[in-house]
Amino acid sequence: NAGVTQTPKFQVLKTGQSMTLQCAQDMNHNSMYWYRQDPGMGLRLIYYSASEGTTDKGEVPNGYNVSRLNKREFSLRLESAAPSQTSVYFCASRSGTSSWETQYFGPGTRLLVL
Amino acid sequence: AQSVSQHNHHVILSEAASLELGCNYSYGGTVNLFWYVQYPGQHLQLLLKYFSGDPLVKGIKGFEAEFIKSKFSFNLRKPSVQWSDTAEYFCAVTPKAAGNKLTFGGGTRVLVKP
Repeated sequence: NAGVTQTPKFQVLKTGQSMTLQCAQDMNHNSMYWYRQDPGMGLRLIYYSASEGTTDKGEVPNGYNVSRLNKREFSLRLESAAPSQTSVYFCASRSGTSSWETQYFGPGTRLLVL
Repeated sequence: AQSVSQHNHHVILSEAASLELGCNYSYGGTVNLFWYVQYPGQHLQLLLKYFSGDPLVKGIKGFEAEFIKSKFSFNLRKPSVQWSDTAEYFCAVTPKAAGNKLTFGGGTRVLVKP
């Protein structure tokens, strides 16, 4: 099992450009998440999908959109990138939505917006 | 909304020294608590978690954490660190009633000198 995979690993964008970050999991998990990690701020939840066909906003959703394409895949889109979106983006998944369940993380995507 | 505070941003210690990382959370209801670790160049992985029962939780690689409800704390400990424990450590909390809202602390970077 590959677990949670993310593409691309690195990306440089110019302000105003758009891009989609891809995430896939092969663990048959129902719930998927997108976080951003900034120095000193830990990880902050952008959006999540509790199950296929549903998405909800997290703590910092502005400037992002998501699509739960199917049970395996959950993409994050930046429509018009801004320097404030320079960050490391992590995707995570877990089996259900119970609060005690462990989330499994992908390797991350480093994004630089110039 | 809940919040998590990790008091130490950076910790430097020598091999065989003992480690204790502080974590305090703010939330009025019952919670589940997690410690995640991110080794250099790797993705986050779970060290241990507390959701009920014995407040002293043992995790992987010799780590343990104690939940003190009266102090809203969940400190991480290891009696004798190794060079391979060099990593960033994140405390996280989720309300039992809102399983998708995992909130992370800012992280503590630990450097173990050989």
